[in-house]
Amino acid sequence: DVKVTQSSRYLVKRTGEKVFLECVQDMDHENMFWYRQDPGLGLRLIYFSYDVKMKEKGDIPEGYSVSREKKERFSLILESASTNQTSMYLCASSLTQGRYNEQFFGPGTRLTVL
Amino acid sequence: GEDVEQSLFLSVREGDSSVINCTYTDSSSTYLYWYKQEPGAGLQLLTYIFSNMDMKQDQRLTVLLNKKDKHLSLRIADTQTGDSAIYFCAEIHRDDKIIFGKGTRLHILP
Repeated sequence: DVKVTQSSRYLVKRTGEKVFLECVQDMDHENMFWYRQDPGLGLRLIYFSYDVKMKEKGDIPEGYSVSREKKERFSLILESASTNQTSMYLCASSLTQGRYNEQFFGPGTRLTVL
Repeated sequence: GEDVEQSLFLSVREGDSSVINCTYTDSSSTYLYWYKQEPGAGLQLLTYIFSNMDMKQDQRLTVLLNKKDKHLSLRIADTQTGDSAIYFCAEIHRDDKIIFGKGTRLHILP
């Protein structure tokens, strides 16, 4: 089974702190994604990566950056956390030529910024 | 528009059928998906349909696709308490980006 793990289930940070959210997948997937999920807004794509050291902006990249130094790991970075970044963050991965392009999701990290 | 549209909430009695509807945007989408998110968990692919199909049935799940109206539906027969979740409709665009709807929260009444 594909497994996507995220470093924390719950995280509380203060405004202005630098925050790292880590995601690891164990199935050699090329593609990795970071979404945030907010009530009434569904999933919104922040950044994605199609290869190591490669990144592309999604729909809402402002205030975030990412790092993909290894194929299995995709990190989301909040350089200076703000209260409007309080949200559920979901990581996902997929194969480039995967079976019907299925994305596999991690369990999510609920981040609260005080 | 660019949004995948679906209603935000559906309430159904246990044992009845649930029908969740979705309107998607890209007529050239090759795959259309239904993802399920149980409380406290990430999304999991529930079922999918290829764009050249009108219907797909998998046990209690039936997916109907109307390409002319860009309408997708998910029917869950004999709804159980374990079906309580948020259901996301999604489509894949030409650039291989998957676009998700906002999710329909299915609430099961006893």
